[in-house]
This record gives sequence, structure tokens and C-alpha cells, in this order.
Amino acid sequence: DIQMTQSPSSLSASVGDRVTITCRASQSISIYLNWYQQKPGKAPKLLIYATSSLQSGVPSRFSGSGSGTDFTLTISSLQPEDFATYYCQQSYSPPYTFIFGQGTKLEIK
Amino acid sequence: EVQLVESGGGVVQPGGSLKLSCSASGFLFSDFAIHWVRQASGRGLEWVGRIRSQDNGYATEYAASAKGRFTISRDDSENTAYLQMNRLKTEDRAVYYCCRAISGNTIWLDPWGQGTLVTVSS
Repeated sequence: DIQMTQSPSSLSASVGDRVTITCRASQSISIYLNWYQQKPGKAPKLLIYATSSLQSGVPSRFSGSGSGTDFTLTISSLQPEDFATYYCQQSYSPPYTFIFGQGTKLEIK
Repeated sequence: EVQLVESGGGVVQPGGSLKLSCSASGFLFSDFAIHWVRQASGRGLEWVGRIRSQDNGYATEYAASAKGRFTISRDDSENTAYLQMNRLKTEDRAVYYCCRAISGNTIWLDPWGQGTLVTVSS
């Protein structure tokens, strides 16, 4: 199975900071990579699909890039509502496993 | 508004069974695959499985942890998907989410339901 590794596992940052989260796949997944945001006690929410396409309604401070095995989620200027856990997910098929990364918890410094 | 609502969670003994429902509204349910994802307390997201649309033969795929014990089905006339869980283990304790899958040049999950909690305990 394709494995997804996110780094860092946790991150402390301040409002206004630029933050980058990395996701690495164990084999090439082309651009088949999505990003989700989850706040405590809430369901995950789609942020970015197909590596770099911003979901409707998501602020433009969020961006994604990469291809093959290495991907990044960037928040250009952190806002208070951005403190959450972020997950990458591969959707490369087959083998249709839709594996998630282990998550990156973004906390207020 | 596109919405998914899970139900059917609860407490079950190890070895028992439980059937979760995912009721959809606001979109043409029959056109979309439905995925199930779970999250144990304090842990990350774990993909459980999916059921594709009728056009794709209602094909199902499962994570290794679910294969042979869990079955995903759907009733397009009721706009509802199901997750039948048998031979439950303590490690199946989690919040279970259902999600609509959007297929473009890749596949992504949006929206997600609010989740339903399954507790496996004696």
C-alpha cells in the first residue's frame, strides 16, 4: 500500500506567520493528493484537491503544490481560525486505498 | 444544501454487530460514490472503504482492517448508504464519518457528515 508521511507532526506558529506542511508519498501519486482541515470536535473539511485546486469558499491564503511523491500545503498568513489539524490524503488508484497522512496539528505559539 | 447525516452509532460488545446509516440530501445521491472514514479518539483519520455508483457497478473497496468484517451498501431510492460492521473489536471504537466522493482528474471527499460514535466495550 502507498504510505503517506506528514511533517511536522505538530507545529507552533503565530498569527501572521507563513506556514508550510509537507506530505510525502511512498511512491509516485502524480497529483492525486488532497488536503483537509479538522477542528476539535468537528468533521474534516476539504481545503485543496488535486494538489493545488482550492475548494470553493476556502480563503486564498491556503495553497498547495507538488507532484510525484512530495507535496506541500502553505498558509501564507496565519489567521486565528486556521489553528487546527491538517491531513493529506492520496487518491491514486489502483489500489484504491485512499490513505491519509497522520496529521499535522497547528497550534498557537 | 449538500448534507450527509450519519446515524446508528452506539455501544456494542466485542464480537457484536452494528449497522450505520448515512442519509444524504441536496444532491443526486445515485451519481456519487460514498466513502466511510473513521477516527479513534485522539488519533488520525483512517479510510474504511467506499461504494461506487450504479454506473460503476456499485463496486466496493475496503481497507485491510475492514475487509471481511465490514460491508458497505447503498439504497439509491432512499438516498442512504450503510456500513454493516460485524465481529467488532475494541479497536473499532471510533467516530465514523461518511463522505461524498467527487471524481474529477482525481477523487476528493466533500462534504463529510458530522460523524457517529461507535463504542466497542464489554
